[in-house]
Amino acid sequence: AQTVTQSQPEMSVQEAETVTLSCTYDTSESNYYLFWYKQPPSRQMILVIRQEAYKQQNATENRFSVNFQKAAKSFSLKISDSQLGDTAMYFCAFMKEGGSNYKLTFGKGTLLTVNP
Amino acid sequence: NAGVMQNPRHLVRRRGQEARLRCSPMKGHSHVYWYRQLPEEGLKFMVYLQKENIIDESGMPKERFSAEFPKEGPSILRIQQVVRGDSAAYFCASSPTGLEGEKLFFGSGTQLSVL
Repeated sequence: AQTVTQSQPEMSVQEAETVTLSCTYDTSESNYYLFWYKQPPSRQMILVIRQEAYKQQNATENRFSVNFQKAAKSFSLKISDSQLGDTAMYFCAFMKEGGSNYKLTFGKGTLLTVNP
Repeated sequence: NAGVMQNPRHLVRRRGQEARLRCSPMKGHSHVYWYRQLPEEGLKFMVYLQKENIIDESGMPKERFSAEFPKEGPSILRIQQVVRGDSAAYFCASSPTGLEGEKLFFGSGTQLSVL
């Protein structure tokens, strides 16, 4: 079974600064997908970024980028130029390739607060 | 193009009552997934449905919980004889094809509170 660990329950950052959220996972699979989801106070789960494990290049979406270290089983999220609207819970998630590929395994989340 | 719609947003039930949670997937999506989020936890998979078929219900409690996705209308997650431990946020997600690694689009969830 896969596990996802987010070791930072809460973090804060000043507006316009950069912040990095940590995520580690444990799996015996060699092929899989990793995701970061954002859950603002509205509660909707919003996909921030997605990474295929077979790709060495780190995924990037505008101000959001990841540092994917497959050997270390680490998948951190970097948010550059933080904005007040980035305040939310952030969840790291794992999906294995093949078989039950629709089952996302989530971490417990990191609450990020962006301060003005 | 409306997103995944869930209703009600909040649902209060007394112990022993039934709870019905509805989910309308995004237009063009025929694959629906239900997840549950307990307080201070990440979401956990419950069930995967396609139109008129339950594909995987391995995450569903064996008793009191059922799900359906009829040919017409929304997907329904039904909890009979609710208990306090059922209090949680229930999320529905949908995808167009169910293919591997596909992005899931989530709704805003239904917060169930059992008194």
